[in-house]
This record gives sequence, structure tokens and C-alpha cells, in this order.
Amino acid sequence: DTAVSQTPKYLVTQMGNDKSIKCEQNLGHDTMYWYKQDSKKFLKIMFSYNNKELIINETVPNRFSPKSPDKAHLNLHINSLELGDSAVYFCASSQSSTPSAQYFGPGTRLTVL
Amino acid sequence: GQNIDQPTEMTATEGAIVQINCTYQTSGFNGLFWYQQHAGEAPTFLSYNVLDGLEEKGRFSSFLSRSKGYSYLLLKELQMKDSASYLCAVRRHGGSQGNLIFGKGTKLSVKP
Repeated sequence: DTAVSQTPKYLVTQMGNDKSIKCEQNLGHDTMYWYKQDSKKFLKIMFSYNNKELIINETVPNRFSPKSPDKAHLNLHINSLELGDSAVYFCASSQSSTPSAQYFGPGTRLTVL
Repeated sequence: GQNIDQPTEMTATEGAIVQINCTYQTSGFNGLFWYQQHAGEAPTFLSYNVLDGLEEKGRFSSFLSRSKGYSYLLLKELQMKDSASYLCAVRRHGGSQGNLIFGKGTKLSVKP
């Protein structure tokens, strides 16, 4: 069974469009994250949600909005897509009560044309 | 601020031992993680150190010196499948629970 899943795996779209990426975890974790990995493979935190509350926003443009309907899901909505948004986006989850590792989803490769 | 440095690339021979170093400067240090990432795949957790010393897990070991801001990942009996990027990540205290700051990764190539 997949622990952290994301859909879609690939997303190709035009500049200016709005798109969403979905993430679900079945590990019972209370914290979920979104990371962006650029073409140079640098992995950078974007958002973190703990018990459905945003606790990090690392200066990400407000075109990016995370939405967490419950603690097993953290979706990422992106408005007015730009060329520079092309990257691989990873969802991850962890349990905050223990210093546990973060478990990553398979990633969504976003290409903006 | 925070800064994490690790070599960009390394090459080693199958069956050998390789050590990947990571140095960091950060406030509120609360542990160091190593992740493995194969090309086109997600990072997977390898090890975690929060106290000084060596943590061993099979062929992989990780060492931490908090006073020196230094860690290394030791891979023994290298196999071809160990060719991957190895990411050092530092966790911080504070309201951003579990906040990980990643280094840029070390791409390891294992040759026959």
C-alpha cells in the first residue's frame, strides 16, 4: 500500500493556467509538507501543515495556496502558472510528536510551456 | 540564517567504502537526516542523528558532531544500486515543527 501518494504524476500546462496537485497519506501522520525540487535538484520546503494549520510559508508567492481538507490530505493549488514554476513538487508527511523522518510521495513533474 | 554544504559529486568503486561529508550552520539545531534519492524518484529516509556519535544501519552509518557542525554518511560494500544522490538535511527547533533544510545533495556514481 502506498504511504504517501500524489496525483497527477505529470502535469503539462500553459502559462497563465491554474492547476492543482493532490496529496494523500495513510500513515496517520499529523504534519504534511510541500517541497519544490528545481532543475538543479535543490529540494526546498514550501509549506507545512500540522493538524490542518499552516505553520510554514517559506516566502512562496501567493499564487501558491495549500489546502488541507483533513489531516490525511494536503493539496497544492497554483494560480497563473509561470515558466519558473516548472519543477518537481513533492508532498511529504511526518509525525510531530516524535522526531521522526519525513516520508515523501513520488512527486509531480510540472512543466509550464 | 542557515547553510548546508556537501560535495556536488563523488565516484567510488563497487565493493569499496565511501564517506559523504556534510557541514552545516544553523540556529536551533534539532537533528540531522540523510536521504537517498535515485534519479526520477522520491527521497527516501536513510538515517537520523540528534546526539553526537555514530548510528549504524546495515551497510550505512551516519556520524554527527554538533560542536563542529559536521556529519558524514558512510556507505560500505558499495553496490551499483547505491548510485544516487544523497541529501543531508537539518531539522530546527521552533514553531515550524519538523522543518527540514536540505543541502544540494551529493551525486554518487558507483563504478564496476
